[in-house]
Amino acid sequence: EPEVTQTPSHQVTQMGQEVILRCVPISNHLYFYWYRQILGQKVEFLVSFYNNEISEKSEIFDDQFSVERPDGSNFTLKIRSTKLEDSAMYFCASRGPGGFTGELFFGEGSRLTVL
Amino acid sequence: QQQVKQSPQSLIVQKGGISIINCAYENTAFDYFPWYQQFPGKGPALLIAIRPDVSEKKEGRFTISFNKSAKQFSLHIMDSQPGDSATYFCAASMETSYDKVIFGPGTSLSVIP
Repeated sequence: EPEVTQTPSHQVTQMGQEVILRCVPISNHLYFYWYRQILGQKVEFLVSFYNNEISEKSEIFDDQFSVERPDGSNFTLKIRSTKLEDSAMYFCASRGPGGFTGELFFGEGSRLTVL
Repeated sequence: QQQVKQSPQSLIVQKGGISIINCAYENTAFDYFPWYQQFPGKGPALLIAIRPDVSEKKEGRFTISFNKSAKQFSLHIMDSQPGDSATYFCAASMETSYDKVIFGPGTSLSVIP
């Protein structure tokens, strides 16, 4: 069964460092998303990406964040200068072409720990 | 307006019992209401979903009840099993918003033997 894969599974970084989280969405999917989940809290929308551009972003997704689809398979989230409060689980998700279903397929997440 | 409220925060149910999780929303532009299930160490996975033009949807032991006028919906898990122990998120989305899914805060369900 096709799945969304994310790397790394866990990254520890020092405050102020740049971090890149990588995702390989399901191959025929066209819509891509990043969400984050702070430990024990709800899953929060960060950004959606379609047709090689950001389609929507939340207030959390400030200038420190950026997304890119550098080739036909990867989708990355970059945090330029990490803060302690960026520590969270980051989930990549994708959705397929065709009619609206509202179903997103999530990866298993990348845990980011900022020290 | 974008918020989805969910209760209870945690729930303990005996095996074979009924688990009920309730949610409410404010934004009437939402037109799709999925429930996601998340096991520890995994990403959320779609469990069941409903559109506001129906009042109930059933898939196996899982049923969504939807009250459009009250802007409330709920998940019922019949004959709850220990394997159902997980965190459940109600959610809402709208087609005009690239399927951005707004999650509720989650309910941690424990089904005890």
